[in-house]
Amino acid sequence: QSALTQPPSASGTPGQMVNISCSGSSSNIGNTYVYWYYQIPGTAPKLLIYRNNQRPSGVPDRISASKSGTSASLVIGGLRSDDEANYYCASWDDSLSGPVFGGGTKVTVL
Amino acid sequence: EVQLLESGGGLIQPGGSLRLSCAASGFLFNTYAMSWVRQAPGKGLEWVSTSSESGDGTSYADSVKGRFTISRDNSKKTLYLQMNSLRREDTAVYYCAKPEGAYPTLFDSWGQGTLVTVSS
Repeated sequence: QSALTQPPSASGTPGQMVNISCSGSSSNIGNTYVYWYYQIPGTAPKLLIYRNNQRPSGVPDRISASKSGTSASLVIGGLRSDDEANYYCASWDDSLSGPVFGGGTKVTVL
Repeated sequence: EVQLLESGGGLIQPGGSLRLSCAASGFLFNTYAMSWVRQAPGKGLEWVSTSSESGDGTSYADSVKGRFTISRDNSKKTLYLQMNSLRREDTAVYYCAKPEGAYPTLFDSWGQGTLVTVSS
């Protein structure tokens, strides 16, 4: 069981918006930054969002994220077929003295 | 450009040992804590271990504590993971990862991964 809780799946049609939630606790999300990763099966994860809501260069502004208390969310707007992937939230955990990850959300474009 | 290149994975019997390496380039290796993260087949990401910038400080997930040892050679810009007493549940792709900043930031760069299969 993952320390951070994500829905296992999410879907939408091209052009729609998808929202992925990530729930944690005061020892992780409530106390520090949230990160989001994107992974196509068989490849390495890629950074999508860092420090709660910052986009690395190359990530389009239709991707956004927010954090409130012990929860966070990722929004993918203007859904495209190449958005199909697994999405993971992550945060440092003081109790573990290490990072914790969500179980991942598989996004399907219908 | 940051590059992380893992090697050393393979098929190993339960109880065996394996040493993974991660060769880094494109950044000041000795100024970043470095980590190993693994992913079992069809599963999510799991943090394994982190080494401080100098290597003097290390931390481990409970699942590998006492069996795995992380180390680094800053002169060679290489991170290592010595894995002993391997179990079937250690089967996974092992990624080397670099943080985006100082503690306690998380990863902005990942290697391509190396597959470890523990099976008889």
